[in-house]
Amino acid sequence: AQSVTQLDSQVPVFEEAPVELRCNYSSSVSVYLFWYVQYPNQGLQLLLKYLSGSTLVESINGFEAEFNKSQTSFHLRKPSVHISDTAEYFCAVSDPNTGNQFYFGTGTSLTVIP
Amino acid sequence: EAGVTQFPSHSVIEKGQTVTLRCDPISGHDNLYWYRRVMGKEIKFLLHFVKESKQDESGMPNNRFLAERTGGTYSTLKVQPAELEDSGVYFCASSQGVTVGEKLFFGSGTQLSVL
Repeated sequence: AQSVTQLDSQVPVFEEAPVELRCNYSSSVSVYLFWYVQYPNQGLQLLLKYLSGSTLVESINGFEAEFNKSQTSFHLRKPSVHISDTAEYFCAVSDPNTGNQFYFGTGTSLTVIP
Repeated sequence: EAGVTQFPSHSVIEKGQTVTLRCDPISGHDNLYWYRRVMGKEIKFLLHFVKESKQDESGMPNNRFLAERTGGTYSTLKVQPAELEDSGVYFCASSQGVTVGEKLFFGSGTQLSVL
């Protein structure tokens, strides 16, 4: 079975500062990797995903994540955060052999401080 | 286009009572998923419907949980009788196909508190 580790449960950061949210996964097979974001009082939304190809993937709002197979990591980064980035971020993996069953991490609550 | 809607948004019940959660997926989405997040822990898969059929229910915790999707539209998740450890946020998600890596659309969840 897959497992996902998000070591940082809460990350406070000042506005316009860079941020990195860490995600590590355990798997002996190739997996697909995702970051979902949950803004207050809303459902989870897909932020970005890695399926194949370039190991660096980007979102439309300035986040990026890099798939590192040797370190089994998929850390999420943004060079300059905004107040509106305050949300909870979930890393997830899915195993191509089990269809669309996702395995999520425990989430990281990002708080951007003005 | 309406998104995935869940009702109620919050439910507070006493141990031993019954609660029914409802999920309306996006119209035309054959795939419907239920997930649960117990406070501070990861979001865990409960089950997956394809239309009205249960494709995978390996994540259902025990037989106190019953999920249905009559007619392949909305789904209900009933907990009977509820126990304290059932407290958490129950998420519903839907997708059109089952292409691996396909985007899931999530509802905003039902916060269930069992006292």
